[in-house]
Amino acid sequence: QSALTQPASVSGSPGQSITISCTGTSSDVGGYNYVSWYQQHPGKAPKLMIYEVSNRPSGVSNRFSGSKSGNTASLTISGLQAEDEADYYCSSYTSSSTWVFGGGTKLTVL
Amino acid sequence: EVQLVESGGGLVKPGGSLRLSCAASGFTFSSYSMNWVRQAPGKGLEWVSSISSSSSYIYYADSVKGRFTISRDNAKNSLYLQMNSLRAEDTAVYYCAREYCSSTSCYTGAIDYWGQGTLVTVSS
Repeated sequence: QSALTQPASVSGSPGQSITISCTGTSSDVGGYNYVSWYQQHPGKAPKLMIYEVSNRPSGVSNRFSGSKSGNTASLTISGLQAEDEADYYCSSYTSSSTWVFGGGTKLTVL
Repeated sequence: EVQLVESGGGLVKPGGSLRLSCAASGFTFSSYSMNWVRQAPGKGLEWVSSISSSSSYIYYADSVKGRFTISRDNAKNSLYLQMNSLRAEDTAVYYCAREYCSSTSCYTGAIDYWGQGTLVTVSS
């Protein structure tokens, strides 16, 4: 159950778009469409942003989108806003009937 | 309003035990799979364990298998995590978390509500 691989940090200016990658294996990300993305502000509980690779829960801005190609999932945030600055985590179902998170990516809005 | 309130955290010596509880309210607890997810200080999220709505399916991370036991009492709207043989690396905030379900489906691996967390510190 190795953690999924995410970049430690990404940054962008307000209004720009950024993409956070999440790389796993054929036993997790590549094998199932059960990839979720979470946003976590300091001292707060995580918030679900994307489920099943590309679906947004009700209430999540359409500036957030998800996709997957092979063993790599991606979260794209368009029209960056100051409040998007947070840590982002991906997670995936695995062939062992378990779940695994990525190491997390710190997004800085310049 | 959905609420998940954890309790039972604290300071424990290596090799000791703790039992975490999560009191759920504001939704039909017996209809949802539940999870425990932990976060070590300054670190990322780590999935710990999941239990299906009727306790028929239970899963554990390799890091806790054989030491932790998840359970639930649907009559009491409560989720539990019995933690034995605790190690320093188990030190973390432990979150009780609910699987995301819409009006028609539940979504594997997606969590829509989290408690505020309870801190477990394993230290001599």
